[in-house]
Amino acid sequence: QVQLVQSGAEVKKPGASVKVSCKASGYTFTGYYMHWVRQAPGQGLEWMGRINPNSGGTNYAQKFQGRVTMTRDTSISTAYMELSRLRSDDTAVYYCARDLTAAGLLFDYWGQGTLVTVSS
Amino acid sequence: QSVLTQPPSVSAAPGQKVTISCSGSSSNIGNNYVSWYQQLPGTAPKLLIYDNNKRPSGIPDRFSGSKSGTSATLGITGLQTGDEADYYCGTWDSSLSASVFGTGTKVTVL
Repeated sequence: QVQLVQSGAEVKKPGASVKVSCKASGYTFTGYYMHWVRQAPGQGLEWMGRINPNSGGTNYAQKFQGRVTMTRDTSISTAYMELSRLRSDDTAVYYCARDLTAAGLLFDYWGQGTLVTVSS
Repeated sequence: QSVLTQPPSVSAAPGQKVTISCSGSSSNIGNNYVSWYQQLPGTAPKLLIYDNNKRPSGIPDRFSGSKSGTSATLGITGLQTGDEADYYCGTWDSSLSASVFGTGTKVTVL
C-alpha cells in the first residue's frame, strides 16, 4: 500500500534552515510528482511547490522563491524540502503529498506531517 | 491569501444535509478539475472528491461534488458526528502556475 512517511518534529531558531524528508513506499517513486503543503497553527493549507522525482525539476510558489529547495534521492525513494532563513511565521505543519495527475489537481496520498517550530 | 473562497463554517443536525461552496475564477476552477479534502482534527488532509465529482474508493456516496463555471460545491448528506472536520477545495491555477486551496470550511454537527 502507498505510504508517505515524514521525518520528525523540528525546533529551529530564527534565521536557521530546516530540511524535512518524505519517504515513499508502495509505488514507483519516479512516476508521480511530489508536492509540499504547509499549515500554520489554526490556518488553512498553503501550497509551497512540487518536484518531479523523475527529472528533479521543480516549481515553487512565488512566496517561497529563493528560500525553498526541493530535492529527491531516487535510490531511497525520498523527497526533501529545505526551507532557509526561517522566521517565526514559518512555524507550521509541513506535509508532502503525492500528485496523481502531474497537474497539481489531485493529492491522493499525504504524509503524516512534520511540525516545524521556529522560536528563539 | 487564498484565491479560492469558502464559507468559514456550516452546521446542521445529524442526518441533515450541508453544502460547501468554493468560489474561484477562470484561471483556476473555470478551467481545471476541482478536488475536495477532509481534514479531521489533528490529522493530514484526506482526498474526498476528485475531478469535480468522483469519489475515491472507500468514500461513501453521502459525499458528492459538482462544478458550474467558476464555482464548485461539496455536498454531505446524512450528516454524522464523524463528519465534523475542516473541508478544503483545491485545484490548479494556470495564471499563478500553482496549486491553490480554498480558505477552508469547518463543518459542525449540532
